[in-house]
Amino acid sequence: AQSVTQLDSQVPVFEEAPVELRCNYSSSVSVYLFWYVQYPNQGLQLLLKYLSGSTLVKGINGFEAEFNKSQTSFHLRKPSVHISDTAEYFCAVSNASGGSYIPTFGRGTSLIVHP
Amino acid sequence: GAVVSQHPSRVICKSGTSVKIECRSLDFQATTMFWYRQFPKQSLMLMATSNEGSKATYEQGVEKDKFLINHASLTLSTLTVTSAHPEDSSFYICSARPSTGGGSPLHFGNGTRLTVT
Repeated sequence: AQSVTQLDSQVPVFEEAPVELRCNYSSSVSVYLFWYVQYPNQGLQLLLKYLSGSTLVKGINGFEAEFNKSQTSFHLRKPSVHISDTAEYFCAVSNASGGSYIPTFGRGTSLIVHP
Repeated sequence: GAVVSQHPSRVICKSGTSVKIECRSLDFQATTMFWYRQFPKQSLMLMATSNEGSKATYEQGVEKDKFLINHASLTLSTLTVTSAHPEDSSFYICSARPSTGGGSPLHFGNGTRLTVT
């Protein structure tokens, strides 16, 4: 079984400031990792994913995330946020070693960007 | 590519009636689709896995007779909320992916806001 913990339910930040949204996972097997963004009253949109290779993954809208196997983390970062980045962000993990490929989602982090 | 279309985006119905939500993969075939329910300010709760040509797999605690899922083709899955009650009011989201591997990300519809009066 696998689980995802998003430590912060809400992260307020001022426009143009850097931001980090934290994600830790637990799994007994190797994993794939994802970050999704959800704007109000919409579905989720993929920001980026880690499958293998370089631990630093770049995604859309200037976001990036770093896979840290020893710390079982996959934190999302952006060096300078915009008002339009205000949204809900979900970290997800799926099994990379067979079995169920249904991803497990974290509870989400609400990023609130203030002018 | 990999677009998932979900309709309707919003529906209001009276208690006791049934509502059907459609989920279509527009540019890929999906043997499996997933239905989620999302409560305000909370994460997604997987309700069921829809399998083309066979019965859906429901998660524990989800009433299969209340939430009927039909996956009649490789591009269409439907969720019918039968005899809806106010407590069924929620945001329902479907998703699918072009391949079955765990590294293939899910593509989501825009969700359906169901309000039962």
